[in-house]
Amino acid sequence: KQEVTQIPAALSVPEGENLVLNCSFTDSAIYNLQWFRQDPGKGLTSLLLIQSSQREQTSGRLNASLDKSSGRSTLYIAASQPGDSATYLCAVRRGEDPGGSQGNLIFGKGTKLSVKP
Amino acid sequence: DAGVTQSPTHLIKTRGQHVTLRCSPISGHKSVSWYQQVLGQGPQFIFQYYEKEERGRGNFPDRFSARQFPNYSSELNVNALLLGDSALYLCASSYLSLAGVNEQFFGPGTRLTVL
Repeated sequence: KQEVTQIPAALSVPEGENLVLNCSFTDSAIYNLQWFRQDPGKGLTSLLLIQSSQREQTSGRLNASLDKSSGRSTLYIAASQPGDSATYLCAVRRGEDPGGSQGNLIFGKGTKLSVKP
Repeated sequence: DAGVTQSPTHLIKTRGQHVTLRCSPISGHKSVSWYQQVLGQGPQFIFQYYEKEERGRGNFPDRFSARQFPNYSSELNVNALLLGDSALYLCASSYLSLAGVNEQFFGPGTRLTVL
């Protein structure tokens, strides 16, 4: 059974600091991995998606890496800003069959990030 | 282009009642998935529908049901509500293809409170 763990559960940093959020998964047989941002009481915003054949993806100040063999992904945020304060969720997708029974995402509990001005 | 939309935004029900939540996917997306997110937890998968057929179901009781319409919108129904059903219900859509990335895009959610 696939399990996704995110460490730490909460993180507080001063503005401008670079930071790394960690995600680990127990079964390396994944199709892809997505990082999401969630503001309090809101839906999920997709940040980055990494296919199982890729090692990393970058978008602006965000960089996500994937090491399938060790079951780990990291989200690197450069030069953090107060507007980055949110909960960051990692999710893995098991199967590649479009519309198949393994197409759902399995989520971690998230890391709550607070960036202090 | 409009993103995934969900209605209603908030809902308050009492135990034993029935609720229907609605979701409209991004135009062109044929797959809709439903997730339940209890406070402080990550979302848990409930259902996936693709081309109007159920393709996956999570570990939820039969009180939960869903369907997808010809225009690919979807409804999630929950019968005999329990206090533990209080959660944020999220809908996600994706454009599925054999060679595609199949990224999931989420709506803003429906906050259900059961009293």
